[in-house]
Amino acid sequence: AQTVTQSQPEMSVQEAETVTLSCTYDTSESDYYLFWYKQPPSRQMILVIRQEAYKQQNATENRFSVNFQKAAKSFSLKISDSQLGDAAMYFCAYRRGTSGTYKYIFGTGTRLKVLA
Amino acid sequence: DSGVTQTPKHLITATGQRVTLRCSPRSGDLSVYWYQQSLDQGLQFLIQYYNGEERAKGNILERFSAQQFPDLHSELNLSSLELGDSALYFCASSVAPQGPTEAFFGQGTRLTVV
Repeated sequence: AQTVTQSQPEMSVQEAETVTLSCTYDTSESDYYLFWYKQPPSRQMILVIRQEAYKQQNATENRFSVNFQKAAKSFSLKISDSQLGDAAMYFCAYRRGTSGTYKYIFGTGTRLKVLA
Repeated sequence: DSGVTQTPKHLITATGQRVTLRCSPRSGDLSVYWYQQSLDQGLQFLIQYYNGEERAKGNILERFSAQQFPDLHSELNLSSLELGDSALYFCASSVAPQGPTEAFFGQGTRLTVV
């Protein structure tokens, strides 16, 4: 069974600095998708970034980028120029690509604090 | 606004009661997922529907059931409620279960069992 592990329950970053959140996953599949979701205090789940496993290029969305290491099964999120609004829980998620069930499997989350 | 609508936003009920949570997916989305998030916990997958058919089941209790209707809205029924069922229940939708599509989440229904 696939699993997603976020080993950092909490991280802090100074405003305008860069922070990296870690995520590892375990799967025997070759085709899958990885996601980072943000959950601010409002509890809304907001998609931050998506990575297709078949793409070697790391995904980037403005200040958010990932470091996808397929062989190591690692999918970290880098937030550059951190802003106060980035403070939230961040969840890493995995989803199979082409067959079987397509449920999204979530890690336990990392709480990010941004210090002014 | 994700386009996924969940009602009600808040629900307070007593132990032993039954409640129904409703979800309207984004326009055009055929796949619906239900997740449970207990206080400061991760998201636990409950069940997934695609175009009216159940596609995947997670750790959903027998007291819980769900369905997706022809108009694609979905309902999650929780019965014989216990204090431990208090949680935030999310519905998410995607265009299709496969392919490079992400799930869009509703704002959740916060269920409190007293």
